[in-house]
Amino acid sequence: AQTVTQSQPEMSVQEAETVTLSCTYDTSESDYYLFWYKQPPSRQMILVIRQEAYKQQNATENRFSVNFQKAAKSFSLKISDSQLGDAAMYFCASRGSNYKLTFGKGTLLTVNP
Amino acid sequence: KAGVTQTPRYLIKTRGQQVTLSCSPISGHRSVSWYQQTPGQGLQFLFEYFSETQRNKGNFPGRFSGRQFSNSRSEMNVSTLELGDSALYLCASSPPTGEDTQYFGPGTRLTVL
Repeated sequence: AQTVTQSQPEMSVQEAETVTLSCTYDTSESDYYLFWYKQPPSRQMILVIRQEAYKQQNATENRFSVNFQKAAKSFSLKISDSQLGDAAMYFCASRGSNYKLTFGKGTLLTVNP
Repeated sequence: KAGVTQTPRYLIKTRGQQVTLSCSPISGHRSVSWYQQTPGQGLQFLFEYFSETQRNKGNFPGRFSGRQFSNSRSEMNVSTLELGDSALYLCASSPPTGEDTQYFGPGTRLTVL
């Protein structure tokens, strides 16, 4: 079974600043995928970034990047140059061989102008 | 390409009734997954279908069922509704090969009175 833990229920950041959201996971599988999803108040779940566990290089998508520490089973999300539109609930998720996503409880990010 | 669509967007039912939710995946996607989102339990996996076959099922009672049609559209059914079934039901689809990312629809908000 896979578990995902997000230890920060809420975070806040000033516009244009950088913020890091934490995520740890546990899995017995050697081949798995990790994701960060964003869910704004409109509630549509949007993919932010994806990481394949066998790849050592950290994934990057524009202002979003991850710090993937496989041995520590850590997968944090860094948002640079935060914008008001980044305000949302962020979910960390893992996917193994059983086709299902296992989600953390989420981190509510507030962006202050 | 059009995204994942879900109908209806909102639904109000009373206890004991049954409900059917529909999901149309992104064109070309053959895998469809369903999740229940509640404030207390977070995001929980219901089931996943691929080419009309259920490949995995979450820990939900038998009142929750689903199916997938030959055009990859999927429906989920909840019979004998309970107050605790009030939730946001999210559908996600995945490409047929290679990429394991799930792309989500806007969800159906079910309220059971």
